[in-house]
Amino acid sequence: DGGITQSPKYLFRKEGQNVTLSCEQNLNHDAMYWYRQDPGQGLRLIYYSQIVNDFQKGDIAEGYSVSREKKESFPLTVTSAQKNPTAFYLCASSAVGRRREQYFGPGTRLTVT
Amino acid sequence: AQSVSQHNHHVILSEAASLELGCNYSYGGTVNLFWYVQYPGQHLQLLLKYFSGDPLVKGIKGFEAEFIKSKFSFNLRKPSVQWSDTAEYFCAVNADNYGQNFVFGPGTRLSVLP
Repeated sequence: DGGITQSPKYLFRKEGQNVTLSCEQNLNHDAMYWYRQDPGQGLRLIYYSQIVNDFQKGDIAEGYSVSREKKESFPLTVTSAQKNPTAFYLCASSAVGRRREQYFGPGTRLTVT
Repeated sequence: AQSVSQHNHHVILSEAASLELGCNYSYGGTVNLFWYVQYPGQHLQLLLKYFSGDPLVKGIKGFEAEFIKSKFSFNLRKPSVQWSDTAEYFCAVNADNYGQNFVFGPGTRLSVLP
């Protein structure tokens, strides 16, 4: 089955700790994305990558970091610098080119206390 | 700034009522348009998409949407909703002049009463 996996589904951390969220896809997509979903705000783009070893900041990149060492993997680190990290994080992937559509993973709900 | 707006935050309907959810965007130029649905506890799923051609597009589960370029709109419709349509609905836009980025609206929560 082709798709996107995110793990874990729920994650709890203490304030001041960095935490890394996993995202893996087997759709052979070049582009991958991280979004944050908060109630009433839709999805806001954190980072995206169009190709291995390259990534760009989205609208709310502060306090987050990513890497793209392999085509199928795009982990997101929520650092201690992120002021309000508790949220639902969604990973997506797409082909590149004119007619691109995104496919989403199941998400990770991060709670920081 | 480029943006996507959705007219309603929360819509409550009875089963068999007709549905129309509004979506407007602020881009000029060529756009790709999408509606996604998020059922409680489930992934975001693509309902339908518009790339070019016929501005009336049909999606899954009886949904359709109409692209009106002059109004920068892409409203979602369904003639008769079911209880199982209860979900959150997101409009999204990907513009040629905005690269790989997809911009999402804030979402509309639909509650269908049995």
